[in-house]
Amino acid sequence: GAGVSQSPRYKVAKRGQDVALRCDPISGHVSLFWYQQALGQGPEFLTYFQNEAQLDKSGLPSDRFFAERPEGSVSTLKIQRTQQEDSAVYLCASSLVGRDRNYEQYFGPGTRLTVT
Amino acid sequence: SQKIEQNSEALNIQEGKTATLTCNYTNYSPAYLQWYRQDPGRGPVFLLLIRENEKEKRKERLKVTFDTTLKQSLFHITASQPADSATYLCAHLKAAGNKLTFGGGTRVLVKP
Repeated sequence: GAGVSQSPRYKVAKRGQDVALRCDPISGHVSLFWYQQALGQGPEFLTYFQNEAQLDKSGLPSDRFFAERPEGSVSTLKIQRTQQEDSAVYLCASSLVGRDRNYEQYFGPGTRLTVT
Repeated sequence: SQKIEQNSEALNIQEGKTATLTCNYTNYSPAYLQWYRQDPGRGPVFLLLIRENEKEKRKERLKVTFDTTLKQSLFHITASQPADSATYLCAHLKAAGNKLTFGGGTRVLVKP
């Protein structure tokens, strides 16, 4: 079946531009997570949704970062006034709640954002 | 807050040998530890989960152990193959269905 998809796969933005990154989770997955991965590092948590409710946004680095999931399916991560330090791969993951005893998160391929 | 530490040096091993990777955590014992594999340009892929009350978990050529006294998990790839070359990530899960806290990952290169 279809996995998690993300678009665009690559994004180059000039410093100060706004960007929007899209995530299509696996159909029926209640939980959706966003992570940021710098080169050579492990992913770092940004924010978490259960259906349309944003339950944890403690990892968002600044108020320039905003995420939404208005209908409990597709999610968008928006970064306003991008800075060079925002350059990273942004990963989206989705998971089932309850039925998956491994609590596995299914990751998309990521969006590589480069801010010039 | 919880920190997960993995050896940042790449592990080079010969095909057929066993690769052993270390994951150390600080502070409290994680309810669950997960191991993921990540290939270049791709998202992590789940491999195994081990619970704090489990000593060992196996899946095909993979084995994970959990020692709460040492605050450490070991990940073994037995009879390694060049196709096992990837970065392996350890992740702490505080509660079921919650966010993951990842280590920095260890790159494994299996030479034929």
